[in-house]
Amino acid sequence: NAGVTQTPKFQVLKTGQSMTLQCAQDMNHNSMYWYRQDPGMGLRLIYYSASEGTTDKGEVPNGYNVSRLNKREFSLRLESAAPSQTSVYFCATNRDSNNEAFFGQGTRLTVV
Amino acid sequence: AQSVAQPEDQVNVAEGNPLTVKCTYSVSGNPYLFWYVQYPNRGLQFLLKYITGDNLVKGSYGFEAEFNKSQTSFHLKKPSALVSDSALYFCAVRDKNTGFQKLVFGTGTRLLVSP
Repeated sequence: NAGVTQTPKFQVLKTGQSMTLQCAQDMNHNSMYWYRQDPGMGLRLIYYSASEGTTDKGEVPNGYNVSRLNKREFSLRLESAAPSQTSVYFCATNRDSNNEAFFGQGTRLTVV
Repeated sequence: AQSVAQPEDQVNVAEGNPLTVKCTYSVSGNPYLFWYVQYPNRGLQFLLKYITGDNLVKGSYGFEAEFNKSQTSFHLKKPSALVSDSALYFCAVRDKNTGFQKLVFGTGTRLLVSP
């Protein structure tokens, strides 16, 4: 039982390159989230999916897209990476909106 | 609008002493409050939450937090700190009438427990 699995763990991109961050959960949860963590700023929500087939913007969605591929998987795509997207990205999931979330181990992304 | 403040960037405490990590919040209605802990190179782990009921909430690893509505605070406490408690702690809040996607995180407080 892995919980929430993110891949890759580390990535270095050049400005303008694209990449997809993968997230998979085996907890049978409905809701999934993507956050970014920056020093001194806590966690900020990028996108979320309340249930399979739905996605919505969070606080900082610009420059990102998401896909809720099925109930287990929720991917985050950077179409044209910028240095401002250097951050640690976390995927999280919960059974529903009223419950605490479980987080993956994070992806440390550097854009040069 | 919802907001949460963790006024201390770092808290230092000696092993065996009690610890407190402070959190104050602002919501328009009734709050749902959470504490999470982050160990190095790991994701956030849930510690405890206040939804309703008793103001003193007990959570994982011997931590507890007290909800104080008049002071709009939700401080995290532990009677006796361990070196292994050293980590980054996040307080989070949302209004009861909003969904988890509206959860607002504080900037975090680094707890350093010395032997």
